Amino acid sequence: GAGVSQTPSNKVTEKGKYVELRCDPISGHTALYWYRQSLGQGPEFLIYFQGTGAADDSGLPNDRFFAVRPEGSVSTLKIQRTERGDSAVYLCASSSTDYTEAFFGQGTRLTVV
Amino acid sequence: QKEVEQNSGPLSVPEGAIASLNCTYSDRGSQSFFWYRQYSGKSPELIMFIYSNGDKEDGRFTAQLNKASQYVSLLIRDSQPSDSATYLCAVVGGNTPLVFGKGTRLSVIA
Repeated sequence: GAGVSQTPSNKVTEKGKYVELRCDPISGHTALYWYRQSLGQGPEFLIYFQGTGAADDSGLPNDRFFAVRPEGSVSTLKIQRTERGDSAVYLCASSSTDYTEAFFGQGTRLTVV
Repeated sequence: QKEVEQNSGPLSVPEGAIASLNCTYSDRGSQSFFWYRQYSGKSPELIMFIYSNGDKEDGRFTAQLNKASQYVSLLIRDSQPSDSATYLCAVVGGNTPLVFGKGTRLSVIA
């Protein structure tokens, strides 16, 4: 695709529910990043994929968070047993290699009520 | 894990002035350095990248890198009200992936 696409744009869920957030990177980009951004803060690193494998998942806050990228393209961020503190904008970015510029999708605003 | 530090601001400059934004980073193995602009409610947008020591100019923007001092800056010449946004510094390399500072809020006063 022309740019990074994230779906849904907005998601409202009840506390305790399971959610999936999808990211479709720029075609041919092997590196894919997930970030979480709260109001007034910079993007907080969650996980980084190089191809199909999670090269670094050190930013995932706890075991309720999990992400996959089974075919090295689309990635899904999965959050189990959502909590109100998970409410944030979840950003996805992709880049052609590890050290080149990354481009962001429009983000998914997650609200846990 | 790398740390990237930025002054949160707000930095206020008059229209037409030079805005200077600064960033320091902790990992000496860092290799690539980026500046993103983020308008309220929008995603970060890449405006500059720099890989080597020295200056890199693109239009009204100049990025400066000093690896010995672990310091990177962004200068915006002839600042316009439309430049009012949060500017994010990002760093990648060494053993850790792309990480961001908290951003500096810039306000250009007409």
